[in-house]
Amino acid sequence: DAKTTQPPSMDCAEGRAANLPCNHSTISGNEYVYWYRQIHSQGPQYIIHGLKNNETNEMASLIITEDRKSSTLILPHATLRDTAVYYCIVIVWGGGSEKLVFGKGMKLTVNP
Amino acid sequence: NAGVTQTPKFQVLKTGQSMTLQCAQDMNHEYMSWYRQDPGMGLRLIHYSVGAGITDQGEVPNGYNVSRSTTEDFPLRLLSAAPSQTSVYFCASSYSGQGGGRQPQHFGDGTRLSIL
Repeated sequence: DAKTTQPPSMDCAEGRAANLPCNHSTISGNEYVYWYRQIHSQGPQYIIHGLKNNETNEMASLIITEDRKSSTLILPHATLRDTAVYYCIVIVWGGGSEKLVFGKGMKLTVNP
Repeated sequence: NAGVTQTPKFQVLKTGQSMTLQCAQDMNHEYMSWYRQDPGMGLRLIHYSVGAGITDQGEVPNGYNVSRSTTEDFPLRLLSAAPSQTSVYFCASSYSGQGGGRQPQHFGDGTRLSIL
């Protein structure tokens, strides 16, 4: 699996957009970019995923560069409840072995 | 749906004791997995299963056994607990990637295990 690189932490003001970067320069053509977050000590929560097109759902938007070597997760209007550790993961689907490889993630702190 | 249910939520063991961490899901997911998370670290995969009767090792399988006799349940067994196994354990499930689309994994709330 390709590895990802995220900054260790980031601050954001409440109500502002939070842009969380991720580098995955060795990503393969069939690897998807997934984002999860972990609030306090709860189980990780799925946010969004994509292959090469930009994606949006009710939680966030995912922007993937054309060369697929990096991506940005956008929380359009960050709230205090978005304070969490965010994990950017790349995985290959198929073959029955969907193994998520978590790094240390990035701690996002939303400030009032 | 209850989602992924893990029991117990907390457990304290003595070195050498054995125990089973339970994980159940009611979403008819083929794929289930166990992770451990140590302080300040990301999750590390212990074992996983792509369906009933099929299991395989993850990144850190030593000291743990699993079995998958039904689609719903995926217990994790510690045969002889060691202090190094003090951690938070998470179970996850998802539809299989084969023909099932790119479905995300659903995680339980974790079991916090301390071994003295």
